[in-house]
Amino acid sequence: AQSVAQPEDQVNVAEGNPLTVKCTYSVSGNPYLFWYVQYPNRGLQFLLKYITGDNLVKGSYGFEAEFNKSQTSFHLKKPSALVSDSALYFCAVRGGSSNTGKLIFGQGTTLQVKP
Amino acid sequence: GAVVSQHPSRVICKSGTSVKIECRSLDFQATTMFWYRQFPKQSLMLMATSNEGSKATYEQGVEKDKFLINHASLTLSTLTVTSAHPEDSSFYICSASGGGGTDTQYFGPGTRLTVL
Repeated sequence: AQSVAQPEDQVNVAEGNPLTVKCTYSVSGNPYLFWYVQYPNRGLQFLLKYITGDNLVKGSYGFEAEFNKSQTSFHLKKPSALVSDSALYFCAVRGGSSNTGKLIFGQGTTLQVKP
Repeated sequence: GAVVSQHPSRVICKSGTSVKIECRSLDFQATTMFWYRQFPKQSLMLMATSNEGSKATYEQGVEKDKFLINHASLTLSTLTVTSAHPEDSSFYICSASGGGGTDTQYFGPGTRLTVL
């Protein structure tokens, strides 16, 4: 069965410090991996995705994520956090063998950036 | 990026009434649209997948007669919560995809439904 795990409910970082939000996955076939961000009472905004190619994917707002096949991980990173990055982050995966387009979401990680 | 809108953003209704939520892809044709439900501080729960011109595919445990989904065009899908009850109060989010296994889902801003 396909699954996504975000092991941290909350991540706290100081503004200007690097941040990492962790994600591991389990799928059949090659994974298609996504990161989304959600601000309070809003829908999800797409940040980045990995389909194939370079393991390091760059996305919106200075975020990037590294696909690691051996560790089945797709951690989200940013070199220097901003207070405005504080939000709820979701990792999602779609199995390469899936033809329905359905995404499986992790439980979400709240990022809190303090000034 | 692609833009998806939802209307209304908030709705309060009395128990027993029906509520319709619209989801529109504004700048692309959405072959597939998805409807999710989100409870406070929880992840998204997929309710159904709809493809333009065909019947929606509902996830296990989702009542298709209660949550009516119509995807009549490539830019519009609607979710109707029929005979709403307080337990249907939730945040409903739609997403749209242009199709293809690698395509990105773009999400609407969500609709907060409160049933009194």
